[in-house]
Amino acid sequence: SQQGEEDPQALSIQEGENATMNCSYKTSINNLQWYRQNSGRGLVHLILIRSNEREKHSGRLRVTLDTSKKSSSLLITASRAADTASYFCATDAYDYKLSFGAGTTVTVRA
Amino acid sequence: DAGVTQSPTHLIKTRGQQVTLRCSPKSGHDTVSWYQQALGQGPQFIFQYYEEEERQRGNFPDRFSGHQFPNYSSELNVNALLLGDSALYLCASSLRRAFEQFFGPGTRLTVL
Repeated sequence: SQQGEEDPQALSIQEGENATMNCSYKTSINNLQWYRQNSGRGLVHLILIRSNEREKHSGRLRVTLDTSKKSSSLLITASRAADTASYFCATDAYDYKLSFGAGTTVTVRA
Repeated sequence: DAGVTQSPTHLIKTRGQQVTLRCSPKSGHDTVSWYQQALGQGPQFIFQYYEEEERQRGNFPDRFSGHQFPNYSSELNVNALLLGDSALYLCASSLRRAFEQFFGPGTRLTVL
């Protein structure tokens, strides 16, 4: 079973626009991470936010975490064609098992 | 700096057979985790190896087993293959069981 659930399942945007995707989870967490996956290959770590943090930035990425609502959002600003990928949130509950959602597929149109 | 490597890239087996997948962690990493990713789904945690011992296990049957060697590389073994075992198998490494993990490109297993 998967802890996280991303929304929307798919997103299509124009190059230069912002992309926002959300992740909801069910149980208390220690950390929440976002990963990117291109064409069904390996995952690339994007950002980790701890349960006591509310917002984090990394380049064009902004992640928020609301533990009271058990949800997180990932914002990609000024999207590029290279941002076309599937994005997954992953949570852990102090037990080193990463639990992933089913992902959001983002397509950036030129 | 070598990243996580996995072999083979693709594999085709028939039901009932056994398979071994291999993983070399990123240089300097000592912890290896394995995940199964079915088509259209997120990765599912299989188990984690640290100091040559299985430390955590997900909801996978005993047909799935593993091993970690003194050089930190790891193997995933699956016995009595089922059609449902067809998936992308991902290996991830970290340092001292850190939560941030570095993934390899995966092995695509097809069971016919």
